[in-house]
Amino acid sequence: GQQLNQSPQSMFIQEGEDVSMNCTSSSIFNTWLWYKQDPGEGPVLLIALYKAGELTSNGRLTAQFGITRKDSFLNISASIPSDVGIYFCAGPRTGTASKLTFGTGTRLQVTL
Amino acid sequence: SQTIHQWPATLVQPVGSPLSLECTVEGTSNPNLYWYRQAAGRGLQLLFYSVGIGQISSEVPQNLSASRPQDRQFILSSKKLLLSDSGFYLCAWKEGGLPDTQYFGPGTRLTVL
Repeated sequence: GQQLNQSPQSMFIQEGEDVSMNCTSSSIFNTWLWYKQDPGEGPVLLIALYKAGELTSNGRLTAQFGITRKDSFLNISASIPSDVGIYFCAGPRTGTASKLTFGTGTRLQVTL
Repeated sequence: SQTIHQWPATLVQPVGSPLSLECTVEGTSNPNLYWYRQAAGRGLQLLFYSVGIGQISSEVPQNLSASRPQDRQFILSSKKLLLSDSGFYLCAWKEGGLPDTQYFGPGTRLTVL
């Protein structure tokens, strides 16, 4: 079945640093979604990408839809303590636009 | 604007007791609705989804069931809880017929003792 692999699994960074993470698959996706989950809360949608090559920003966050359609990247510039959390990528399952496949998550911890 | 509610926020139940978790969505009509479970530090596992009233699809065989008695209400139930049912339960909704974006509720933390 479809799998989404996220890298890195976890990362410690210092406040003010830029962060990069990615999501890869052996299958083609037509949509890429990036969510952030704070501890004890539901995931919140950060960015949605619908077109290969698309680059979309949301404040300090920038995400790109890979040209091969098999990967996506999320960058966070000038990280702050509230960026702490787990970042998930997701994409629609093959054959249905109603269900999502989620990545394994990247846990981000920011030190002062 | 649309909002999604889940209750209770936390629940501690003994093994063998029944369960009922509720999810409601406001500000939209005929949404797709989803129940996920998340084990500690793990990813999201889809349990059930529904495209309309009374229409439930199960993703994995388990001790749980779901019902959709009203358009914007989704209920997760169990007759007898197991220890393995502990976890963080998330409800999500999606606009029917629109691209894939799902929006999540705040979650219910269930501990079975």
